[in-house]
Amino acid sequence: GAGVSQSPRYKVAKRGQDVALRCDPISGHVSLFWYQQALGQGPEFLTYFQNEAQLDKSGLPSDRFFAERPEGSVSTLKIQRTQQEDSAVYLCASSPPLGNEQFFGPGTRLTVL
Amino acid sequence: DAKTTQPPSMDCAEGRAANLPCNHSTISGNEYVYWYRQIHSQGPQYIIHGLKNNETNEMASLIITEDRKSSTLILPHATLRDTAVYYCIVRVAGDSWGKLQFGAGTQVVVTP
Repeated sequence: GAGVSQSPRYKVAKRGQDVALRCDPISGHVSLFWYQQALGQGPEFLTYFQNEAQLDKSGLPSDRFFAERPEGSVSTLKIQRTQQEDSAVYLCASSPPLGNEQFFGPGTRLTVL
Repeated sequence: DAKTTQPPSMDCAEGRAANLPCNHSTISGNEYVYWYRQIHSQGPQYIIHGLKNNETNEMASLIITEDRKSSTLILPHATLRDTAVYYCIVRVAGDSWGKLQFGAGTQVVVTP
């Protein structure tokens, strides 16, 4: 399919481990967003890329969170020294230039033990 | 904080119309009303958006009040597959910088 894909779909980490979550946006989509969704709540914005440039990272909750999109396509969200409060679903979305619609991937469910 | 308020839940009978209300009393002149829905274990899905005129597509209709302080999403013939959390969001259209600010949404359960 031509949708947004994310991997892994599920990740279990021990507290203190580093994790890397991958997002493959729709081909040609310039904008890429990461969101965090805690259980029972709506998604919360983390960061935004336009091509390879990270233009907004105001939603990253701490300096343990880092995102990159080095070639303007695939993006990786990295969380260092994971904590239990990092347990959530991490959603990636992409959007074409001047797009009105964000296309979401299925998310990665991270559980930190 | 989200700029919209929605009821936390509502039930709807299969085959009937579902009318989902949303209040956005502080909406700005250049902000559109967007609706997304999230089926369990999936990412959110775009439904529809509008500025001030009523809009209709193959999924739903959007009715916006004249003062733009509230709107209603209408699912004309609800099916069991419409069971989902529905989010009402305001943002500037065509603004690819525009992050989506989700609230808690309305959990809609369609029953047979």
